[in-house]
Formats: sequence, structure tokens, C-alpha cells
Amino acid sequence: GENVEQHPSTLSVQEGDSAVIKCTYSDSASNYFPWYKQELGKGPQLIIDIRSNVGEKKDQRIAVTLNKTAKHFSLHITETQPEDSAVYFCAARKRTGGSYIPTFGRGTSLIVHP
Amino acid sequence: DVKVTQSSRYLVKRTGEKVFLECVQDMDHENMFWYRQDPGLGLRLIYFSYDVKMKEKGDIPEGYSVSREKKERFSLILESASTNQTSMYLCASSPEGQGRGANEKLFFGSGTQLSVL
Repeated sequence: GENVEQHPSTLSVQEGDSAVIKCTYSDSASNYFPWYKQELGKGPQLIIDIRSNVGEKKDQRIAVTLNKTAKHFSLHITETQPEDSAVYFCAARKRTGGSYIPTFGRGTSLIVHP
Repeated sequence: DVKVTQSSRYLVKRTGEKVFLECVQDMDHENMFWYRQDPGLGLRLIYFSYDVKMKEKGDIPEGYSVSREKKERFSLILESASTNQTSMYLCASSPEGQGRGANEKLFFGSGTQLSVL
């Protein structure tokens, strides 16, 4: 299976609704879980991250929760706005050769309808 | 702010051509990465480098090579471009740390959309 699975692949919400994107990972030793937002024509940018010593982190309208036992983490966006429309990627780590590298989910296309 | 600059935003090449994609970062980061982005497949790692002249294969290195002669510059080379290499290519960097990029934030460039005809 994939190292990082991300769901859903597309998410359509009305402005003001909440949006939740979920990821599961396979490497139980992963300890850093970032979320990136990619707007059209741009590279991904980090919007929030969490380390394994905490279960939840919040920054204004966005929050990330982590369940290390179940090996999943989620991005929560409240009071969505049209400018939240973008592709969102989660990441965890996997081992390749002698190194650990960041590995990404396949992305979620979030559409916020005004 | 960290800046990761990719030399071309759009590139059109012919099958069989040798293609160079250039990436420069200005924050003295140790780690640099090349990803390929395709619809429905997310970001797939081609190669990464954690030091000058060092490189390691990612998930899809076939048909690609890289060069890191200077710390700030990481080049992706398509030895003989093929149509299945038409894609968005993203360069990223991150500071030194344990895990060689797995434990810290990545800074991405804006991407190069490569079309191979």
C-alpha cells in the first residue's frame, strides 16, 4: 500500500462550512506531519504542521489533529472562504536507502463555493 | 523569506533532447529535492541531495539524473526526454536536520511545466 493515504481526493463545500481532510501513514516512527496548500500556478506552501508529542494544534481557522496509535492525522478548516480553494497535501516520512524522506499524499482538491 | 527559484516557468522540448531544469535556493539549506507532480498522483520524489555532490534516488529516478556542484543549486537532467516526462516539476529545499528533510518544513519553488513533444 501507499506510505501516505489521503482522502478525499476532491471536496466541495459551501462558504462558511467546515472541511476535513484525512491522512493515514505507515511508518510508525514518523514524528513530523505537515500540511501544504498549493494554489493555482504556485508551488505548495506549508500552512500548519504538528509533531508527534502533541495531539492537536490550531492556527486561527485551521487545525491539525494527530492520532499516533491509529497512525492518522487530519486537517480541519472552519468557516471556509473562497480563498481556501486549493489543493492540499499531507506528508509523513518514509525510509529510502539510508535516509528518511518526506513522502506526500496524493492531494485533496478543495472547492469552496461562494 | 526563503526563496527557491526555478529557472523556467514553462518549457517545451522535443523527444530525445537533453533537458536541464535549474533550481537555486538562497537560504543556505542543506537538503534539496526534485519532485514530479501529475494529476491524481500527487508529488513523487525523483532525487534528493543532502550535501554538495551527494545525491540519492527517490521513488521514480528512471530517466533522470541530478547535479549538485554548489550548495545553493540543484539541477535535474533529463538525458533523453520522452513524452511520458511531460509534467510539472517542483524543486524544494529544507534546512539541515535529522531525517534529511523528513522532519522539517519544505520550501518549494513555483514549478516548471515541461511539455515534451
